[in-house]
Amino acid sequence: EAGVTQSPTHLIKTRGQQATLRCSPISGHTSVYWYQQALGLGLQFLLWYDEGEERNRGNFPPRFSGRQFPNYSSELNVNALELEDSALYLCASSFHSGSANEKLFFGSGTQLSVL
Amino acid sequence: SQQGEEDPQALSIQEGENATMNCSYKTSINNLQWYRQNSGRGLVHLILIRSNEREKHSGRLRVTLDTSKKSSSLLITASRAADTASYFCATDAGGGYQKVTFGIGTKLQVIP
Repeated sequence: EAGVTQSPTHLIKTRGQQATLRCSPISGHTSVYWYQQALGLGLQFLLWYDEGEERNRGNFPPRFSGRQFPNYSSELNVNALELEDSALYLCASSFHSGSANEKLFFGSGTQLSVL
Repeated sequence: SQQGEEDPQALSIQEGENATMNCSYKTSINNLQWYRQNSGRGLVHLILIRSNEREKHSGRLRVTLDTSKKSSSLLITASRAADTASYFCATDAGGGYQKVTFGIGTKLQVIP
C-alpha cells in the first residue's frame, strides 16, 4: 500500500512568487491535513480538508490556501511568498475525519525555500 | 505557547542505553500521541495513550501518562543507532486534529 506522497521534495522560490505543493493521501483516506514546520518550531496546523471541503484553517494569512480534489488529493498554494514562509510543509491523512483518535500518516514533506 | 512541550530538547546516549523523553501540557486532554521524525522528513506515529490510561507498551517503547501532573514520558529501552530522530508529543484537547498541538520535539542521538 502506498503511503502519503508529496511533491515536489524541494522547492526554491523567490520572494513574491507563488508556490504550489501537492499531496496524495493513502488510499481510502478522505481527510488531508497540512502543517508547516519552520526550523526549530513544532508543527503548526495550516489546513484541513475532508470530502473536498475545507473544514478548518489554522492561524495563517489568506495567502495560504488550497483545495482537495475528487480523488482526495490536495494542493497547497502559497501566494506572495515571504522569506519566513521557508519551512518544511507536511501533509498528513487519516481515515476518519475530524477525529484525533486515529493516527495520522505523514508524507515526507516539501522543503520550501524562499530567497 | 505550545500545548505540548518536550524535555529535554536534545539527548545524546550510547547504543544500548535507555532514553527517556518527557512531555508537559497545559490543559486537559483526550489523548496524547508520540511521533518520530527522521532528519526533517515526515512524522511516524509511535503510540497513542488515552486520558484514562496510565501506561502503554509497544515493543521497546513505554509511554506513561500522568494527568494529575499533565505530563507524559516516552522511554526507549536498549536504544539503537536507528532510533536517532526527533520525537514529538501531540496533545488532543478535543476538536479533532485541527486542534492537536505538537511540541518542538526532543532530538535524540544514539551513538553506536
